[in-house]
Amino acid sequence: ETGVTQTPRHLVMGMTNKKSLKCEQHLGHNAMYWYKQSAKKPLELMFVYNFKEQTENNSVPSRFSPECPNSSHLFLHLHTLQPEDSALYLCASSQEGRGVTDTQYFGPGTRLTVL
Amino acid sequence: GDSVTQMEGPVTLSEEAFLTINCTYTATGYPSLFWYVQYPGEGLQLLLKATKADDKGSNKGFEATYRKETTSFHLEKGSVQVSDSAVYFCALRSYSGGGADGLTFGKGTHLIIQP
Repeated sequence: ETGVTQTPRHLVMGMTNKKSLKCEQHLGHNAMYWYKQSAKKPLELMFVYNFKEQTENNSVPSRFSPECPNSSHLFLHLHTLQPEDSALYLCASSQEGRGVTDTQYFGPGTRLTVL
Repeated sequence: GDSVTQMEGPVTLSEEAFLTINCTYTATGYPSLFWYVQYPGEGLQLLLKATKADDKGSNKGFEATYRKETTSFHLEKGSVQVSDSAVYFCALRSYSGGGADGLTFGKGTHLIIQP
């Protein structure tokens, strides 16, 4: 595998279900991100992890719970979601630090539908 | 806060036409600027970037120049192809000094190239 991978690619869940999205980066980066892409809104930053520490939570509801067990893996745990949470969830990674580029590389996304 | 404004489209052009997609931004300090492209069913791919004023980013025939005086980063291509049909996102990154920072995106411009 190369780049940033996300699983599953598609997910349909009911409002009472609990599910998790997985992201893995194969680039040796030290920062990872979750973004939400809705049909009628700009891409929104949800969470930032730098060296496995959460450094930003962009006012995201508690029904979304991130987990970053190491610098290569990032999860988004979902529970009691609402239909308006249906969106494409994108994971990204970057290498942060002096003298390195700060480009964020994105995965293909998980298309989530909440019924 | 930071913001990015871009024409939403759809923008429809004939093959070999000249392309301009306007992007203006509001940010404190000196952000880095990016153009990402999203093909149907895929995640975002970096198209080009510029990190300081008057820098020109270029890739695959696309160009954009970081204009601090007009706070703009317009995307241009001299001769578009059908394969350029996609959604194009302008984005910026400000630097908080705390490590990784999320990107602020425009709403995206849907480009359609007709043969």
